[in-house]
Amino acid sequence: DIQMTQSPSSLSASVGDRVNITCRASQNINSYLNWYQQKPGKAPKVLIYAESNLQSGVPSRYRGSGSGTEFNFTISSLQPEDFATYYCQQSYSTPYTFGQGTKLEIK
Amino acid sequence: EVQLVESGGGLVKPGGSLRLSCAASGFTFSSYTMNWVRQAPGKGLEWVSSIGSNSSYIYYADSVKGRISISRDNAKNSLYLQMDSLRAEDTAVYYCARIYGYTLHGEFDYWGQGTLVTVSS
Repeated sequence: DIQMTQSPSSLSASVGDRVNITCRASQNINSYLNWYQQKPGKAPKVLIYAESNLQSGVPSRYRGSGSGTEFNFTISSLQPEDFATYYCQQSYSTPYTFGQGTKLEIK
Repeated sequence: EVQLVESGGGLVKPGGSLRLSCAASGFTFSSYTMNWVRQAPGKGLEWVSSIGSNSSYIYYADSVKGRISISRDNAKNSLYLQMDSLRAEDTAVYYCARIYGYTLHGEFDYWGQGTLVTVSS
């Protein structure tokens, strides 16, 4: 199985800050890496697919990059609605696996 | 508008069974790979199972293999998850989710609201 290691597990930041989350895969997954946002009590929502593609309707302050085994997710300028938990997920092969999540909290 | 609506969750005793359903609308259900993803209380996301558009392939997580069966009825635009020999560790919100595109490499682009399964005596 492909292990996804996401860091940090939690992050405290302020509105307007730039934040970065890293996801490492235990083997090469090409660009089959997706990023999701989840708010309490809600289903996850895809933000970035195939490493760097912005899902339709998602603000451009979200950015994904990387390839192979190391990937980054960046929010360029935090907005109040961005405080949530973020997950990476590999879609290279089953079993699909998720990172353990990064909880982004208000400082 | 794409909609996925799960039902069938509830409280069940260890060793019991439950059948979850997911009603799909707003897209050509028969063209997409469908999935179940679960989330234990306060924990992260765990993929459970996938089924191809015409049921030609089915995959399960090792944690549920042999106890859970995924199926679909394209005529009814419905996805199912038959859960047997349930354990406390199966307690979770179960989400129905669609994979975008015609390969297994797509993202989960639409999710239902989830249905809670609680396994407890």
